[in-house]
Amino acid sequence: GNSVTQMEGPVTLSEEAFLTINCTYTATGYPSLFWYVQYPGEGLQLLLKATKADDKGSNKGFEATYRKETTSFHLEKGSVQVSDSAVYFCALVPGGYNKLIFGAGTRLAVHP
Amino acid sequence: DTEVTQTPKHLVMGMTNKKSLKCEQHMGHRAMYWYKQKAKKPPELMFVYSYEKLSINESVPSRFSPECPNSSLLNLHLHALQPEDSALYLCASSQAENMNTEAFFGQGTRLTVV
Repeated sequence: GNSVTQMEGPVTLSEEAFLTINCTYTATGYPSLFWYVQYPGEGLQLLLKATKADDKGSNKGFEATYRKETTSFHLEKGSVQVSDSAVYFCALVPGGYNKLIFGAGTRLAVHP
Repeated sequence: DTEVTQTPKHLVMGMTNKKSLKCEQHMGHRAMYWYKQKAKKPPELMFVYSYEKLSINESVPSRFSPECPNSSLLNLHLHALQPEDSALYLCASSQAENMNTEAFFGQGTRLTVV
């Protein structure tokens, strides 16, 4: 089947720390991979995406690389800010399907 | 305009009430979605409309009834809900029939069933 597994949170960091949120997936065919972010009280926003193996998605200092050999799409940022505090969802769209499948979400709290 | 607008933002309804959630986008997207998100959980797909036709129903109870009157509007009609249906209901749209393109989400309607 198709599924996404994320590291459990919450993740608590100090400002300017390095961030990694792990994400692995199981999918049929060739999925596209996404990271969405949800700020408190809001809907989801696309943070970055990658549609094929070895692609790197990047946005606002965040990066993730589509690793087919390890079925992973880990999110990284070199220096987090308080404003990055949110819930981060890894997600996939299975090849040939019209639905986003989300991981459980990882809550990030960044302190000054 | 890259917004998906949902109304109302908050809704409290009794178990015998009938209410509707509304969603609107003006990005020319031809696929629209309803998701349900319980507290501290990921969104779960409920329905997909593609070119104003229902293409996916994820075995949602009939007390939830979607409607797509035109390519810009998506409604979710609610009737005889249960307290466990309390959740954040998110609408989304995307450019094509597949979500490999970016999906835009609304801010959601926070529904409480009493």
